[in-house]
This record gives sequence, structure tokens and C-alpha cells, in this order.
Amino acid sequence: EEQLVQSGGGLIQRGGSLRLSCAASGFTVTSNFMSWFRQAPGKGLEWVSTFYSGGGTYYADSVRGRFTLSRDSSKNTVSLQLNSLRDEDTAMYYCAKEISVAGHTYYGMDVWGQGTTVTVTS
Amino acid sequence: QSALTQPASVSGSLGQSITVSCTGTDSDIGGYKYVSWYQQHPGNPPKLLIYDVSVRPSGVSDRFSGSKSGNTASLTISGLQAEDEADYYCSSYTKRINTYVILGGGTKLTV
Repeated sequence: EEQLVQSGGGLIQRGGSLRLSCAASGFTVTSNFMSWFRQAPGKGLEWVSTFYSGGGTYYADSVRGRFTLSRDSSKNTVSLQLNSLRDEDTAMYYCAKEISVAGHTYYGMDVWGQGTTVTVTS
Repeated sequence: QSALTQPASVSGSLGQSITVSCTGTDSDIGGYKYVSWYQQHPGNPPKLLIYDVSVRPSGVSDRFSGSKSGNTASLTISGLQAEDEADYYCSSYTKRINTYVILGGGTKLTV
């Protein structure tokens, strides 16, 4: 069974840093497109960042230059480093794996982590 | 303001069918087949219902179906059940620079 288990997050002061991790089982993160989404309290989903299987990365305009993706093939994890945190970064953060059929990706996420909360305080 | 436009809410009775619309542009929904739909119950992560406009992942009920016409995608839920009450989000590939996928604002379904 494919599964993602998230860790990290918590309360952090404005301007501070946090690291979110996402451990995969049942599949290899380096062979799949992996994304992060977030959801502010009472709001909709927002795409944050994506790691291509080949190693390339995409970031939403709202986080580019402040957030950084990384992955560890030995631990089969992907991580999101959050720096220079702002009030508007307060949200539930989800990691997700993109669905892939016969090697073709479809820009849909079929496995999601349980979510981890980031709360930026003043 | 979300990139894809969904109605804020829809409602239906048990056993009925409802449709949720998702409107984009030629740069996303209208130009590609990469439309996905998600269901999210409170306190839970999203669940993929539909990808590639109309394909259901294994294990998803055939009461859920997807379609697309022009710049608008639709999710239809037939035979409404109480457990279908949830938020529904559409998503699409986009050719916008530095954007991987764009999402709708979500639709609250009340059964």
C-alpha cells in the first residue's frame, strides 16, 4: 500500500523557519512527481510546490525564494524548508504523490499525507 | 481569487444527482485533458475522485463521473448518499509560467 506520513510543523514566529517532512512507503519518491499543497483555515486548497522525478522543481509565486524542496532517497522522503514565514503561510500543509499510469503522469494526486499544521505567530 | 471557478455550494437530496462545474480558460481546462477532481471531508486530506477528465482511480465509486466541454469541466454525482456531503475541488494542468497545477475554490455539497 502506498502511503505518505508527514512530520514537522507547529507554531513559529513570523520570520522564522520550519522544516516539513514527508516519508513515503510502497513507492519511491525519486521515481514520482511529488507535490506540496496547503489549506489556510476555512479556505480552499492551494498548490505550493512540485518536485519532478528528474529533480526539477516548481514553486508558487507566493513562496518562491522562501520555500525549498529537497528529497532523500536513502530515507525515501521529501521535505519542504519554510523560511521567512509570514502570517499568510499559516495553513495545513499536505504532501502528495502524483498519479502515474504506465509511466505517464496526469497532474492528479492519488496519495496524500495526513497533513501537518503550520501556525505563524507574531 | 482562485484560478478555476466553482460554485461555492450545491445541494441535493438522497438518491438524486448533482453536477459541480469548474470553469477555466484555454490555457488550462480548455487546452488539456489533465482535469482532476477531489473530495475532502472535514479534517481529512483530499481524495482523488477523477483524473484525466473522466477516469476513476481504482476503488472510487462509479457514482462519480467527470466530463469536459470547452473551458468547463464537470463532476456529476449520481445516487447521492449522506457520505457524499463534503467539499469538492477541481484541478487542472496549466501552461501558466511557474505554475504546475491550478485549483478551483471548492464547492460545498450539502445532502
